[in-house]
Amino acid sequence: GDSVTQMEGPVTLSEEAFLTINCTYTATGYPSLFWYVQYPGEGLQLLLKATKADDKGSNKGFEATYRKETTSFHLEKGSVQVSDSAVYFCAFYTGRRALTFGSGTRLQVQP
Amino acid sequence: DADVTQTPRNRITKTGKRIMLECSQTKGHDRMYWYRQDPGLGLRLIYYSFDVKDINKGEISDGYSVSRQAQAKFSLSLESAIPNQTALYFCATSDPMTSGRATEQFFGPGTRLTVL
Repeated sequence: GDSVTQMEGPVTLSEEAFLTINCTYTATGYPSLFWYVQYPGEGLQLLLKATKADDKGSNKGFEATYRKETTSFHLEKGSVQVSDSAVYFCAFYTGRRALTFGSGTRLQVQP
Repeated sequence: DADVTQTPRNRITKTGKRIMLECSQTKGHDRMYWYRQDPGLGLRLIYYSFDVKDINKGEISDGYSVSRQAQAKFSLSLESAIPNQTALYFCATSDPMTSGRATEQFFGPGTRLTVL
């Protein structure tokens, strides 16, 4: 069935370190891919998205490239800040029903 | 003002009580969703509605019911709450007419429910 697999957290980094959070998916059909972020005490908000193969989504210094051949959508940032500490969710949408989410990865950035 | 609001934000109740969680939106979207978030499990879909007359079960609908009172309102009920329904509940909306396959969902701030 449809599913999203994310690397388990927490991921703990020092400020200005490079971030990668891996995400792979199994989907029926041709999905659009999303990364959502959840800051402490808040709901989820869209971070970036990509709708077709080789598209790169980007926002706030974060990037992810839609890799159809490896069914992956890894999230990267070159230099993390303390303010990036949050839970990150990978998700996809095939046009049916609703988004399918991964289990989330908690990022902790230390000063 | 927030586009998607949820009430209450926090609720503590006892086993066997009936609970209603409410969601309102001012985005004008037809589609609304209820999700449950548990640590390590991500978000799981409880119910979704594509318009006022359309209600559908998600992957974990047992023990829950919903009511779509209007385009802007979508309520989730726990008829007889049990402790394993303790979780963070999110309402979301979307409008695929504007974005098609790329449509994103817009989330409320969540309701933290504790069942003792």
